[in-house]
Amino acid sequence: EADIYQTPRYLVIGTGKKITLECSQTMGHDKMYWYQQDPGMELHLIHYSYGVNSTEKGDLSSESTVSRIRTEHFPLTLESARPSHTSQYLCASSESGYGYTFGSGTRLTVV
Amino acid sequence: AQKITQTQPGMFVQEKEAVTLDCTYDTSDPSYGLFWYKQPSSGEMIFLIYQGSYDQQNATEGRYSLNFQKARKSANLVISASQLGDSAMYFCAMSGYSSASKIIFGSGTRLSIRP
Repeated sequence: EADIYQTPRYLVIGTGKKITLECSQTMGHDKMYWYQQDPGMELHLIHYSYGVNSTEKGDLSSESTVSRIRTEHFPLTLESARPSHTSQYLCASSESGYGYTFGSGTRLTVV
Repeated sequence: AQKITQTQPGMFVQEKEAVTLDCTYDTSDPSYGLFWYKQPSSGEMIFLIYQGSYDQQNATEGRYSLNFQKARKSANLVISASQLGDSAMYFCAMSGYSSASKIIFGSGTRLSIRP
C-alpha cells in the first residue's frame, strides 16, 4: 500500500504544453523532494520543501516550478514542455531526513 | 561537499551466489547516514537498508547486509543467495548535516542475475 502517490504514471505530451505532475503523501511528512532521472542514470535533486510555503531549488537547475500550499501536496509544473524535459520524475518525502519514501515516478515524454 | 562513488556500472552474477556492490563516500560531516535503494525496471525506488555513522554494528535486513568500514569510507551492499528478482539498478546514497537532510545518490550499479 503506497503512502506517496504520483500521477500520472506515464505522460506523452506535445512541445509547448503546460503540465503539472502531481505528488501527494498521507504520512504527514514535512520534507518533500523532486528528483529527475534519465533512464539508467543517477538521480538529481531539482526541488525540495521543508514545509508549507517553503520551497527551494535543488542541485540540478530545472525550468520547472513547485508549490507547497498543503503539507500533503507537492506538485511540479512545467509552463512550456520541451523535448529536453523528457525524463523520469520521482517524488519523495521524509520525516526525519534519514530515509525517503518514494512515489512510483512519472515518466514524461515530450514530443 | 558530500560525494558518493559507485565504480561498478554493471555486474553479472549466477543465481544463488552472494554479490557485493561497492560504494565509497566522502564527507566532512561527523554524523551521517548511508542508504541503499533498489530500482527495478518499473522505475520505483525501493529502500533496502540504512547505516548510521555512529552505529557500531553493520546493518542487516534479511538477505541484505551493509559492510560499513568507516575508516575506508566504504559502505558496500552484500546480497546473500541472489535471486532472479534481484536484477535491478542499485543506488548507494547518503545524507548528513551539511546536506540539510537532502540525500545524494551515486551513479548506480546495474545487477543482472543469471539463472
